[in-house]
Amino acid sequence: NAGVTQTPKFQVLKTGQSMTLQCAQDMNHNSMYWYRQDPGMGLRLIYYSASEGTTDKGEVPNGYNVSRLNKREFSLRLESAAPSQTSVYFCASTSRWLATGELFFGEGSRLTVL
Amino acid sequence: SQQGEEDPQALSIQEGENATMNCSYKTSINNLQWYRQNSGRGLVHLILIRSNEREKHSGRLRVTLDTSKKSSSLLITASRAADTASYFCATDGNQFYFGTGTSLTVIP
Repeated sequence: NAGVTQTPKFQVLKTGQSMTLQCAQDMNHNSMYWYRQDPGMGLRLIYYSASEGTTDKGEVPNGYNVSRLNKREFSLRLESAAPSQTSVYFCASTSRWLATGELFFGEGSRLTVL
Repeated sequence: SQQGEEDPQALSIQEGENATMNCSYKTSINNLQWYRQNSGRGLVHLILIRSNEREKHSGRLRVTLDTSKKSSSLLITASRAADTASYFCATDGNQFYFGTGTSLTVIP
């Protein structure tokens, strides 16, 4: 019963490098989200996918791209990493059919951009 | 800008005491949720309260909602050291906006 799985858990990049954060959920959820968490800022939504085949911008989408590969997978790409993108990234998923409407989170991906 | 703001930012209490944290939000909601985050971990859902509810209980948790004031409170009764964590409120919609969180420390 894996829930939401994020890879990698840790990554160090140099400014200008690119990378993709992977997220997969095994709960058959239709909606998936990417957040970043910075000290004192709480969680801020980067992008979300309300259903397979759709993606939308959140509060802080600049510098990121996403792909909803299929119902299970939602990836986040940094094309040219900047030190301001140093953060902890969380993927989450949910289903509108859930009575609790809760979000299920992965354990986070800690990214440092030098 | 973020939808929710928690208050206080940090709270330190003795084990056995009650902990109250507050959340204010900006726009109309269908429901409001509270989440907990242990250090270095992902967030875990605690409780959801719908806009037509004023109070909800779950174990040692009590949540209130005042839609006229756009605010909610989370009360943890008889706190334990294991309750040490950060607590976040989140408002609904497609975009699940989170607040900045309250860091709770329960001293044994």
